[in-house]
Amino acid sequence: DTEVTQTPKHLVMGMTNKKSLKCEQHMGHRAMYWYKQKAKKPPELMFVYSYEKLSINESVPSRFSPECPNSSLLNLHLHALQPEDSALYLCASSQRTSGVGNEQFFGPGTRLTVL
Amino acid sequence: QQQVKQSPQSLIVQKGGISIINCAYENTAFDYFPWYQQFPGKGPALLIAIRPDVSEKKEGRFTISFNKSAKQFSLHIMDSQPGDSATYFCAASMALSNFGNEKLTFGTGTRLTIIP
Repeated sequence: DTEVTQTPKHLVMGMTNKKSLKCEQHMGHRAMYWYKQKAKKPPELMFVYSYEKLSINESVPSRFSPECPNSSLLNLHLHALQPEDSALYLCASSQRTSGVGNEQFFGPGTRLTVL
Repeated sequence: QQQVKQSPQSLIVQKGGISIINCAYENTAFDYFPWYQQFPGKGPALLIAIRPDVSEKKEGRFTISFNKSAKQFSLHIMDSQPGDSATYFCAASMALSNFGNEKLTFGTGTRLTIIP
C-alpha cells in the first residue's frame, strides 16, 4: 500500500459546527503532516507529527486541533471555523523525520467549504 | 531567505515541445529540491527530486538541472504531452535538526498547458 487516504473528499460545514478530517497511511511512515491549500496557491504547512508527537505547529489558530491516535492515523478537528478557512486540506506522510531526501507523499485532500 | 521563487506563473507549450520551469532560492542551507505535479482537485504528487551534489537528474521525459553557484534549479519536460497539463511546484527543504522534520518551502507554482 503506497498511498495516503483522506476522508471525507468534500465537507460543507457551518461556522458553529464541529467536524473532523481523517488521514491514513500504511507505508510505515513516522512523520505526518497537515497542509492547507487555497486555489492557485502552494500548500501551506499547518502541523507536523513526528513519531506520533506534535513537532511543528505553524501558528495555526486553535479552531484547528490536530490529533495523531497512532502511527497510521492523523485527524484534524475543526470547530468554529470562518468562511476564509475554506480550502483544500492535504495530508502528507514521509518515511524519515530527518536527513536528506525525505520525500513527502500527499493524499488527495479534503475540499472544505465553510458557510 | 526562506522563499523559493518560481517562474513563469503560466506556460503554454505545443505538444512535442520542451517545457521549462525555473526556480531560485536564497537559503544555502537547503539540501533537497523536489518537484511536485498537481492535477485539479488532487493532491500534489512527487515527480522528481535532486540533491545539491549533482547538477542534473533525469527520469524519463523529466530532467532537473541544478546550478548550485547560481542557487537555481529548473524542470525540463521533453516531448511535452497534453497529459502533462497540470500545475507544477518546485520546493526546497533542509533538515531542521538531526532529529527534526524537514519542512518543505514551496514555489508559487506554474500552470502548464500543453496544446495539440
